[in-house]
Amino acid sequence: ILNVEQSPQSLHVQEGDSTNFTCSFPSSNFYALHWYRWETAKSPEALFVMTLNGDEKKKGRISATLNTKEGYSYLYIKGSQPEDSATYLCASAGGTSYGKLTFGQGTILTVHP
Amino acid sequence: EAGVVQSPRYKIIEKKQPVAFWCNPISGHNTLYWYLQNLGQGPELLIRYENEEAVDDSQLPKDRFSAERLKGVDSTLKIQPAELGDSAVYLCASSLLYNEQFFGPGTRLTVL
Repeated sequence: ILNVEQSPQSLHVQEGDSTNFTCSFPSSNFYALHWYRWETAKSPEALFVMTLNGDEKKKGRISATLNTKEGYSYLYIKGSQPEDSATYLCASAGGTSYGKLTFGQGTILTVHP
Repeated sequence: EAGVVQSPRYKIIEKKQPVAFWCNPISGHNTLYWYLQNLGQGPELLIRYENEEAVDDSQLPKDRFSAERLKGVDSTLKIQPAELGDSAVYLCASSLLYNEQFFGPGTRLTVL
């Protein structure tokens, strides 16, 4: 994998459903994996920064896992609420420049009441 | 603590006109980033500053784009002249060294 890729591109769920997204990234020269939530007309908000293989992080109903050996991360949302509607971006830091984030194209989540 | 401030939030201009965006990072953050986000894509880095030095500007189209960060605090990104394809969201972010990046709300540019 040369680029950061996210799937699905968009997702529509009903309130109360649990859902998950995938982020694939280059596993070589890995430094960190970032997850952001970006609501319309607001600033992208950092959810998690993950660095270690096997890392699992949780923030309320949202959790994430990291597999640096195979180059993927999952983001889970339990019991989705309409306020969870946003674009979820992942970004990989690594390669020759630790300060440079390479973003995926994002997953647009819409939670219907 | 105040977040990253960007202005304007929205800008509509005609092609061939100049445009400038301003960013004020979080106080104390020495690293500042400008990203370009096209519709349906993730943000792409245009330029990264450490203090007042541009340490990575390899993705900045230097024929029409310029940026400056005088005194290592706030920064301005300029496009002259703007083209139709420049319509996008321009995001500014700041961080302390290579730690977590904090983003501003972005400037949505429409070129007619």
